Amino acid sequence: NAGVMQNPRHLVRRRGQEARLRCSPMKGHSHVYWYRQLPEEGLKFMVYLQKENIIDESGMPKERFSAEFPKEGPSILRIQQVVRGDSAAYFCASSPSPRGVTDTQYFGPGTRLTVL
Amino acid sequence: GNSVTQMEGPVTLSEEAFLTINCTYTATGYPSLFWYVQYPGEGLQLLLKATKADDKGSNKGFEATYRKETTSFHLEKGSVQVSDSAVYFCALSDSTGGSYIPTFGRGTSLIVHP
Repeated sequence: NAGVMQNPRHLVRRRGQEARLRCSPMKGHSHVYWYRQLPEEGLKFMVYLQKENIIDESGMPKERFSAEFPKEGPSILRIQQVVRGDSAAYFCASSPSPRGVTDTQYFGPGTRLTVL
Repeated sequence: GNSVTQMEGPVTLSEEAFLTINCTYTATGYPSLFWYVQYPGEGLQLLLKATKADDKGSNKGFEATYRKETTSFHLEKGSVQVSDSAVYFCALSDSTGGSYIPTFGRGTSLIVHP
């Protein structure tokens, strides 16, 4: 069984460009979580989505960031007009359960975004 | 709000040494506690967990005991190996308010030398 897949693994963007990060959850998982890991810091929750719905976006910056999880295809985290402070590792996790119990979250390898 | 505090790294040990990584927490409810491990270039993997006071989680020689009186969940291993070199994250999950979104510590890097 394939695990959680993220692509690209590394992404370089110049200031002002857009970054699109993709996450394919494990087969049978319909709950997706996005986290951001800044250098020397732990993971910060960003958003929790189910198919076609945003359940909790309390960790998302109010501007430039958006996320979706369409009926078909991967979940997308989109960052518009990137700035240097957006440079970080972005992790996706998926879960089969409706409550997002932590021990059933399976993490992808992450996308490392570098903004020049 | 909830928070997790871990000892700063890196922790550098020789192979077969005893490991302790300290973790303390604050939470509004009755949290579950977790340790995750992140190997270089990979995502987080659940290492062990404990869901109530005095529970001991264990896996791959690692163990941690949920101490409610000291609000701690220290990670220990009796004899580390080079392959244990990784970053270790302490986390809590609190169902207060119906949300299980976890809170992570900053991570502690472990370096084990042969």
